[in-house]
Amino acid sequence: GQQVMQIPQYQHVQEGEDFTTYCNSSTTLSNIQWYKQRPGGHPVFLIQLVKSGEVKKQKRLTFQFGEAKKNSSLHITATQTTDVGTYFCAVNSGTYKYIFGTGTRLKVLA
Amino acid sequence: EAQVTQNPRYLITVTGKKLTVTCSQNMNHEYMSWYRQDPGLGLRQIYYSMNVEVTDKGDVPEGYKVSRKEKRNFPLILESPSPNQTSLYFCASSLSSGFLSSGANVLTFGAGSRLTVL
Repeated sequence: GQQVMQIPQYQHVQEGEDFTTYCNSSTTLSNIQWYKQRPGGHPVFLIQLVKSGEVKKQKRLTFQFGEAKKNSSLHITATQTTDVGTYFCAVNSGTYKYIFGTGTRLKVLA
Repeated sequence: EAQVTQNPRYLITVTGKKLTVTCSQNMNHEYMSWYRQDPGLGLRQIYYSMNVEVTDKGDVPEGYKVSRKEKRNFPLILESPSPNQTSLYFCASSLSSGFLSSGANVLTFGAGSRLTVL
């Protein structure tokens, strides 16, 4: 079945450094969603990308969808302690199944 | 407040003792689904429901059952729990799972249910 590979699995950064997580698929994706899960919390929707080459920004977060729609990235500029958590990408391609990446756990050292 | 409510939040049980984790949403969402979260494996879909009386298997359905008799409720049933079902479980819902550009497929998650099977 469809798989979405997410890297890295863990990332420790100093506060103020940048952070990037990547999702890759061997097949073309119709869409990709990003969720954030705070420690001890539940996943919360961040954004959805649908168009080839799409770039969306939310304050210090930049989301990209690859031109071939096979990969996506989430970049955080100048991390803060509030960015701590696990970031997941997810694909459902308009079907009823959702495939989640394995997540990237971000720790920010003050 | 729009939300997905799961109960219980924490449960310790023993092998073979049937249990049900309830899930209820107040957003009139058509689509509901269950996931389990295990370290290093991310979120894996167990079952989903497109609407009342319509359910289907996700990627890891073995050992689980579901039902969707009402639009708002989607309970997860473990008929004979085993230790390998020890996990963190999430219920989620969305308006629908299609219509990508409208955001109708965005999932709202419950707070999670941590289950330990001894």
